[in-house]
Amino acid sequence: DQQVKQNSPSLSVQEGRISILNCDYTNSMFDYFLWYKKYPAEGPTFLISISSIKDKNEDGRFTVFLNKSAKHLSLHIVPSQPGDSAVYFCAASHQGSNYKLTFGKGTLLTVNP
Amino acid sequence: DTGVSQDPRHKITKRGQNVTFRCDPISEHNRLYWYRQTLGQGPEFLTYFQNEAQLEKSRLLSDRFSAERPKGSFSTLEIQRTEQGDSAMYLCASSLDLLDYGYTFGSGTRLTVV
Repeated sequence: DQQVKQNSPSLSVQEGRISILNCDYTNSMFDYFLWYKKYPAEGPTFLISISSIKDKNEDGRFTVFLNKSAKHLSLHIVPSQPGDSAVYFCAASHQGSNYKLTFGKGTLLTVNP
Repeated sequence: DTGVSQDPRHKITKRGQNVTFRCDPISEHNRLYWYRQTLGQGPEFLTYFQNEAQLEKSRLLSDRFSAERPKGSFSTLEIQRTEQGDSAMYLCASSLDLLDYGYTFGSGTRLTVV
């Protein structure tokens, strides 16, 4: 049972444009959400997080939006840069879970120059 | 280097052999996690330590898997009698008591069982 779903295995955008990566979840107990970026042969790197008490969190070029009623979150990257090309994982956690993360399968983002 | 270190980076072993991986977390992090990632999947939780206590183990962790974190510092993950299905990337991560900053993952140990 996939509790965190990233339905787009890949996404290709032009440099300078906006990248939007989507994530859906089914477990209503999740109350904290994170995005990680992963390059080949490296471990995932934390990008940005959001608590369920917020609907938006912004950090530089990265913004995460949370729609609790739809159980949906998205990561916006503006403007996209070729160095952003990587696999992006959405992850979720909830209180009482020992901060254990449940990950989606990832979306491969390619930013073309 | 103050990141999470994992050793070895790659391990090729014959089916039936035992293997052990090591993880050195960020020194001030009290939480340590092991995850496993297979091709096309996201990382899956295996086990969690708070200081030296192993507080949770996934059902994915069969009896052939054991993990330790002596003295709450480095951790080891041992797989006994390896099987081809154990081939995966084994990721270690550490964190503080806050998810605001996420985990810090190591680069992983790639295990290939032949």
